[in-house]
Amino acid sequence: QVQLQESGPGLVKPSQTLSLTCTVSGGSISSGGFYWSWIRQHPGKGLEWIGYIYHSGSTYYNPSLKSRVTISVDTSENQFSLKLTSVTAADTAVYYCARVTDDYYFDYWGQGTLVTVS
Amino acid sequence: QSVLTQPPSVSAAPGQKVTISCSGSSSNIGKNYVSWYQQLPGTAPKFLIYDNNKRPSGIPDRFSGSKSGTSATLGITGLQTGDEADYYCGTWDSSLSSVVFGGGTKLTVL
Repeated sequence: QVQLQESGPGLVKPSQTLSLTCTVSGGSISSGGFYWSWIRQHPGKGLEWIGYIYHSGSTYYNPSLKSRVTISVDTSENQFSLKLTSVTAADTAVYYCARVTDDYYFDYWGQGTLVTVS
Repeated sequence: QSVLTQPPSVSAAPGQKVTISCSGSSSNIGKNYVSWYQQLPGTAPKFLIYDNNKRPSGIPDRFSGSKSGTSATLGITGLQTGDEADYYCGTWDSSLSSVVFGGGTKLTVL
């Protein structure tokens, strides 16, 4: 059973960089066949896809966030990470990591972590 | 404003059936598979339906999905109070080169 766990600061100051890590267990990022993604959910709102990465390092980002987002992978640690620069209060959200298939469905999700920009 | 359009809320009585619609366009639902997610209060989304109408193991057959043209539908039969949740559709948008989700539908089981 694949499990994902987000970690990182719960509070970030405006204009700084939000950094989160997702640790994957029960499956190897290096094995391929899946993408590894970040999604966020503003308080009381719907889901917003941020981007995803393949084990090779290929990345795909939401065009609306692309200028501020970097997703990276560390296959040796079986982790992938999110960096979002120049944050504002509008970036306050619950951030989820998830595994994505070739048909673009998210089959395993982390529990989510609330990041507040203040 | 979400790329995929869902009704904000639906409701039905226990034991009844409900459908949730997801409307898109030729660049998203019209050419790509649709998936559905259930989000119980205070929890992460859970994968319900993939490839328009397939259920992952462990998802009861009370849940079904369908797609026609640029719209998709999630059906839930034999409603239970435990089905009260927010439901989201999602797909790839080939024009935006982005995963897109619906705005979510809150299901109330009266």
